[in-house]
Amino acid sequence: QKEVEQDPGPLSVPEGAIVSLNCTYSNSAFQYFMWYRQYSRKGPELLMYTYSSGNKEDGRFTAQVDKSSKYISLFIRDSQPSDSATYLCASNTGNQFYFGTGTSLTVIP
Amino acid sequence: GAVVSQHPSRVICKSGTSVKIECRSLDFQATTMFWYRQFPKKSLMLMATSNEGSKATYEQGVEKDKFLINHASLTLSTLTVTSAHPEDSSFYICSAESSRGRRYEQYFGPGTRLTVT
Repeated sequence: QKEVEQDPGPLSVPEGAIVSLNCTYSNSAFQYFMWYRQYSRKGPELLMYTYSSGNKEDGRFTAQVDKSSKYISLFIRDSQPSDSATYLCASNTGNQFYFGTGTSLTVIP
Repeated sequence: GAVVSQHPSRVICKSGTSVKIECRSLDFQATTMFWYRQFPKKSLMLMATSNEGSKATYEQGVEKDKFLINHASLTLSTLTVTSAHPEDSSFYICSAESSRGRRYEQYFGPGTRLTVT
C-alpha cells in the first residue's frame, strides 16, 4: 500500500464549478499535509499546507484534513481555466515527504 | 515563498556523455536538498536526499555511480547524470528544504528536461 493514494484523474470541469480533489494516507504519524500545483513542464509549487484535522482556507482554495479517516481534500471554488494543472497531495513525517500521484485537472472555459 | 532555481531548464545530450544539473536555493539556506525524477503523467520519484557536506542518501534502485550528487554548500546541490542513455531521458526536479521549528517545507525548482539521443 502506498503511503499516499491519489486518484490520477483526469478531471475535467466547466469554468465556475467547484472542484474536489482527494487523497488518502496510511501513516498515522504524518503531521503536515500539503497540496502542490504543477503546471505542465514546471516544478511543483506549494499551494497550501495544513496541520492536524480541520479546514484551512486561502481565497478560492480550501484544504481539509480528517485524521480520523486519514483523508485529505482540496476544494477549489469558482474554478478558472488558469487552475488547469496537476495537483499533488503530500504529507510528511519529519523531513520525509510522500507524494500522491497527482490529479490532472482541466477547467474548460 | 522561497525561491529555488535549476539550471539548465532543458538539455539535449548524446548517449554516453555526462550532464550536470544545478539546483540553487536563492534566498535561504538549505541543509537538505532532494532530487526527484518525474515521468510523464507520473508522480515524483525521489532519487536521493542530499545533505550539505555529506554523502547523499540514495533511494533503492537508484544507481549512485550513475547519478552523482554533490551538495557542496548550503545553497547549491548538483546532480550529474554520467554516461547518459536514452532511458535516462526524463524531467528532473530538485527541491530544497526549509525548516521552521518542527515544520519542514519543500520548495521545488522549475525542473530540468533531459533528452538523451
